[in-house]
Amino acid sequence: NAGVTQTPKFRVLKTGQSMTLLCAQDMNHEYMYWYRQDPGMGLRLIHYSVGEGTTAKGEVPDGYNVSRLKKQNFLLGLESAAPSQTSVYFCASSLRGALEIIGYTFGSGTRLTVV
Amino acid sequence: GQQVMQIPQYQHVQEGEDFTTYCNSSTTLSNIQWYKQRPGGHPVFLIQLVKSGEVKKQKRLTFQFGEAKKNSSLHITATQTTDVGTYFCAGREWNNDMRFGAGTRLTVKP
Repeated sequence: NAGVTQTPKFRVLKTGQSMTLLCAQDMNHEYMYWYRQDPGMGLRLIHYSVGEGTTAKGEVPDGYNVSRLKKQNFLLGLESAAPSQTSVYFCASSLRGALEIIGYTFGSGTRLTVV
Repeated sequence: GQQVMQIPQYQHVQEGEDFTTYCNSSTTLSNIQWYKQRPGGHPVFLIQLVKSGEVKKQKRLTFQFGEAKKNSSLHITATQTTDVGTYFCAGREWNNDMRFGAGTRLTVKP
């Protein structure tokens, strides 16, 4: 099993450009999450999904959109990138949010720089 | 809203010394999880604590959950260079999002 796969691993965008980060998991997990990690601030939840076709806002959703058309995929979109969105983005998945006992499985991350 | 504070932010130890990181929540938690992130890597789940006063051990790592379920700690005995990384706690209120602490970055001098 590959676990959680994120693409791309690195990306440089110009301010105002758009892009989509892809996340795929092969563990049949119900829940999927997008986090951003900035120095000294830990992991902050952007959006999450509790199942196919459903999404919800997390702690820092502004400037991002998500879609979960298939259970195994969770897409994070930036419509108009800003330098404040320079960060490392992690996708994660879990069996069931409040009831999981094995924790979240994280992807290897996408390092995004907006210039 | 829920806040999860983690201290210290950095810890540098000599190999063989002990290390402890502390996690404190502003609200009562239903459970708390601990993760380790190696430099340049991604967070990896270590353990989950659910019960008040719970203590769990994994080799040289000891995890505790406070009686009031508002704080937790991770203690590493006799650190090794392989322990290097950032340790995160993540606390969840009932049916709410899980909130991560800012992490404690551990460096170990051989």
